[in-house]
Amino acid sequence: DQQVKQNSPSLSVQEGRISILNCDYTNSMFDYFLWYKKYPAEGPTFLISISSIKDKNEDGRFTVFLNKSAKHLSLHIVPSQPGDSAVYFCAASAAGNQFYFGTGTSLTVIP
Amino acid sequence: EAGVTQFPSHSVIEKGQTVTLRCDPISGHDNLYWYRRVMGKEIKFLLHFVKESKQDESGMPNNRFLAERTGGTYSTLKVQPAELEDSGVYFCASSQSSGGATDTQYFGPGTRLTVL
Repeated sequence: DQQVKQNSPSLSVQEGRISILNCDYTNSMFDYFLWYKKYPAEGPTFLISISSIKDKNEDGRFTVFLNKSAKHLSLHIVPSQPGDSAVYFCAASAAGNQFYFGTGTSLTVIP
Repeated sequence: EAGVTQFPSHSVIEKGQTVTLRCDPISGHDNLYWYRRVMGKEIKFLLHFVKESKQDESGMPNNRFLAERTGGTYSTLKVQPAELEDSGVYFCASSQSSGGATDTQYFGPGTRLTVL
């Protein structure tokens, strides 16, 4: 049973606008969340993370929001750039154990 | 500094054959992980080595899969005999430090395995 879900397989956004990628999870024991970015023929690369003690973490154009009561996190990219076009995976773990990944959302930023 | 490397990049084999995938982690990284992504699905954890020891192998699908990390450097993942459902991309990742969730895992480019 999938514990981390990304219900949008794809998203298209105009360059300069905001991209919002969503992720839902079912396990209330998850206490650490990450976003990875993946280009074709490459492995995922770490983008940003958030601990369950926070509700927001920001790194440049990337912000992750965590809503524990809704078991939902989102990644905001603003402004979006063509180089941001990639597949984005969210992942979660509990107590430092294995990561559970979502199925990924393919983001296309249109110039 | 060289990243995580994986060999081969692609492998096409017939059902019932054996395949061995190799992963070379970043030098000095004690933690090594194997993951698998079946097309369109999530990236699934297979197992975690700390040096040469298996810390967590709860994600290994069945006993047709054997992972080793002799000497605590590179790792191999053998599938014997391969079945159709084993097709997918196998990723290896490594991390330094404690191996906990907050340690950044660096992924290799993956090995795409196709079983016909």
